[in-house]
Amino acid sequence: DIQMTQSPSSLSASVGDRVTITCQASQDISNYLNWYQQKPGKAPKLLIYDASNLETGVPSRFSGSGSGTDFTFTISSLQPEDIATYYCQQYDNLPSFGPGTKVDIK
Amino acid sequence: QVQLVQSGAEVKKPGASVRVSCKASGYTFTSYYMHWVRQAPGQGLEWLGIINPSGGSTTYAQKFQGRVTMTRDTSTSTVYMELSSLRSEDTAVYYCARDRGYDSSTWYGSDYWGQGTLVTVSS
Repeated sequence: DIQMTQSPSSLSASVGDRVTITCQASQDISNYLNWYQQKPGKAPKLLIYDASNLETGVPSRFSGSGSGTDFTFTISSLQPEDIATYYCQQYDNLPSFGPGTKVDIK
Repeated sequence: QVQLVQSGAEVKKPGASVRVSCKASGYTFTSYYMHWVRQAPGQGLEWLGIINPSGGSTTYAQKFQGRVTMTRDTSTSTVYMELSSLRSEDTAVYYCARDRGYDSSTWYGSDYWGQGTLVTVSS
C-alpha cells in the first residue's frame, strides 16, 4: 500500500496570507494526486486533480504542484471561507488519503 | 445535476452487519465508478473500495477484504455497501463518491459525494 504523509498537521494564518501544505507519497505516484477540502459536517470537495489541475468552479487562489513523491498545495491569499481540513489522495494504486491539514484563521 | 443520496443513519450492535445505499441521479449511472470512503469521528478519510456499476466488478482495500461487499442495482441506479462483523471502531460516517473518470477502466478520485451516512456501533 502507498502511504501518504502531510505537513503540517495544522496551521493558523491571517486573512490574505499565502498558505502551503506539503504531501509526500511513500513511492513514486507520478502526478496521480488529488487535493480535497472538507468543512466541518460536510463531505469533501475536490479542488485539484492530477496534482495541478484546478477543478471547474474552484477559485484560482488554490493551486497544486509536484510529481513523483513530493507535492505542494497552495492557497495564494487565505480567505475566511477557506477554513477547513485539506487532504491529499493518491490514485496510482488503490486510493489512499493523507492524514489531513487543518487550516484556521489566526 | 449530479446527486448522490444516501440512506439514513444506522445504529448496530457489535457483530452485526450494516448496509448503506447510495442512489445516483443526473448522469449515466453505468459510466462512472463509485467509491466508498469512511470517516471516524474526528479522524481522517479512509478508502474502503470501489465498484464499477457497469459490470459490478469490485476492488476492496485490503483492510476490509472479507468484511465488505459492494453491489449495485442498475434498474434503480443505486449502489450498496455492506459491512459485516461490525465493531466499535467501525463507527463512522460512510460516504459514496463518484469517480471523475468517464467510461474509464481505472479510477481517478471523486468529484461528487453523497451526504454521508452515520453508522454507530454500540452495545
